[in-house]
Amino acid sequence: DTEVTQTPKHLVMGMTNKKSLKCEQHMGHRAMYWYKQKAKKPPELMFVYSYEKLSINESVPSRFSPECPNSSLLNLHLHALQPEDSALYLCASSHPSGTVNTGELFFGEGSRLTVL
Amino acid sequence: AQSVSQHNHHVILSEAASLELGCNYSYGGTVNLFWYVQYPGQHLQLLLKYFSGDPLVKGIKGFEAEFIKSKFSFNLRKPSVQWSDTAEYFCAASRRTNAGKSTFGDGTTLTVKP
Repeated sequence: DTEVTQTPKHLVMGMTNKKSLKCEQHMGHRAMYWYKQKAKKPPELMFVYSYEKLSINESVPSRFSPECPNSSLLNLHLHALQPEDSALYLCASSHPSGTVNTGELFFGEGSRLTVL
Repeated sequence: AQSVSQHNHHVILSEAASLELGCNYSYGGTVNLFWYVQYPGQHLQLLLKYFSGDPLVKGIKGFEAEFIKSKFSFNLRKPSVQWSDTAEYFCAASRRTNAGKSTFGDGTTLTVKP
């Protein structure tokens, strides 16, 4: 079992829908991440939040909108997605409070998104 | 540009065979190095990591990796694989000064035949 919880596990949405993916960690980590993973491919970094502030946006289209309401929660708001956005979306966390961020990632099980 | 390359896309071994998966990185400066594993139907999890010190690091389940700075390599090894090692293996690297931005290799699918 992982200590990073993602909901929902599966999501099917149309191109005009608005939906959100949620992620929660209770390890006291100060950095949280969204990755996108296509089948048989490595995870691709989308966003990084550090101390609840967006620190990295890897030129992700605006139809993906991240939000970090507090140090334990991370959301990814989805709107007007395209079929090619279908993928496994992984949340990860790192950087225990009071330490240097080593980049060691703790992943959730992912939310599998299908865009029709 | 920073990159991580894994030499083998798919490796098939019989149980008890030895394993070595290659990983090279192209980064300037000091790097943190990782191997992650994704068992079928499970989440990505850390196998082992290297930050500094002894270049031979040991991880879970009998895996080890050796950091060779001169070769920009961080190869994963296991003396005797088991059927349960069947999984996808990813090498990853990040700059020490920007540890939040890891780059992953393309991954190696390991199939161990019983």
